[in-house]
Amino acid sequence: KQEVTQIPAALSVPEGENLVLNCSFTDSAIYNLQWFRQDPGKGLTSLLLIQSSQREQTSGRLNASLDKSSGRSTLYIAASQPGDSATYLCAVAPPTDSWGKLQFGAGTQVVVTP
Amino acid sequence: SQTIHQWPATLVQPVGSPLSLECTVEGTSNPNLYWYRQAAGRGLQLLFYSIGIDQISSEVPQNLSASRPQDRQFILSSKKLLLSDSGFYLCACGSGTSGVKQFFGPGTRLTVL
Repeated sequence: KQEVTQIPAALSVPEGENLVLNCSFTDSAIYNLQWFRQDPGKGLTSLLLIQSSQREQTSGRLNASLDKSSGRSTLYIAASQPGDSATYLCAVAPPTDSWGKLQFGAGTQVVVTP
Repeated sequence: SQTIHQWPATLVQPVGSPLSLECTVEGTSNPNLYWYRQAAGRGLQLLFYSIGIDQISSEVPQNLSASRPQDRQFILSSKKLLLSDSGFYLCACGSGTSGVKQFFGPGTRLTVL
């Protein structure tokens, strides 16, 4: 059974510092991995999706890497801003015959202080 | 792009009462639809998914049920709520088989007293 773990559970950094968020998964047979952002009391916003054949994806200040063999993904957020404060969730999709049933980690709660 | 509507936004219900949460999707046709539950301080748990009208699969045993009467409508129901049903319920849509992003609705906060 796939297990997805995110460490640390919470993180506080001063504005301007780079953020490094970790996600690990136990079964390397994944189809893709997604990073989401969740603001308090809100739904999820998709940030980046990495296919299993890719090593990384970038969007603006966000960069996500994927190492399937070690079961790890890292989300980097450069030059953090107070608006980056949120909970960040990673989720893995199993191989293609499972209709997109995502397995989520518990998330990392990020606070960026001005 | 897809837009997902969920209502109500918040709900407080007594134990033993019925439940009906609704999700509708705009901007896509024949989507895969999902119901997730997020308990306090925990990750999302997939409850149901649907690949078409009246095609529903359950991921976990529970006293909840789901229905899909129309292509872009997904309903989560219960005949008798339990305290453990409290949580944040999210509807999501995607397409294909695991190949694309999933989009999430704004969620419904359910408190069972």
